[in-house]
Amino acid sequence: ETGVTQSPTHLIKTRGQQVTLRCSSQSGHNTVSWYQQALGQGPQFIFQYYREEENGRGNFPPRFSGLQFPNYSSELNVNALELDDSALYLCASSPGTVQKARYGYTFGSGTRLTVV
Amino acid sequence: GENVEQHPSTLSVQEGDSAVIKCTYSDSASNYFPWYKQELGKRPQLIIDIRSNVGEKKDQRIAVTLNKTAKHFSLHITETQPEDSAVYFCAASVDSSASKIIFGSGTRLSIRP
Repeated sequence: ETGVTQSPTHLIKTRGQQVTLRCSSQSGHNTVSWYQQALGQGPQFIFQYYREEENGRGNFPPRFSGLQFPNYSSELNVNALELDDSALYLCASSPGTVQKARYGYTFGSGTRLTVV
Repeated sequence: GENVEQHPSTLSVQEGDSAVIKCTYSDSASNYFPWYKQELGKRPQLIIDIRSNVGEKKDQRIAVTLNKTAKHFSLHITETQPEDSAVYFCAASVDSSASKIIFGSGTRLSIRP
């Protein structure tokens, strides 16, 4: 078991609703990244949090937002859900720092979000 | 920003033969290149990685090569086995913190018995 846990595992929402996905990072990892993986595609970088602050963002609209807590767990919030938001959302934790290059990524099992 | 291209999108090889997956990247500042294996319904798992100061790395039946001048890198799997069937993703890191990783679109590898 990798130690990165995500909840819930599956979720069905209606277009226009809001959703919160949660991630508990592996012990000792202070950096959390979120990815969206559409069916048949590679994971797309949404954003990363380091010590409770956003540290990089991909090409996603502002309705995708996040939080990181003092225990390094994290949330991904998506407002005004659209059908195209249906995907597997992956959380990855790493021991990285801003100044030092650290490469270990550990993925959670993901949350499969279906928007209807 | 960084862009990672991966080929082929699907690959079928006879059990025991070798499989090669190729990737190119656009940002010459990229310095870390991991490869992930994702089985159906499971999370991506790191199988091997290579850093920009190394040209080749091998781990049992898996090897990766990196050509920084040409900005391409490849995954080689020898003596393929049925359990190698999965989707493989190449990726590249784009900044000094090396924590933002950009993925390729994936290669679905099937091993024929």
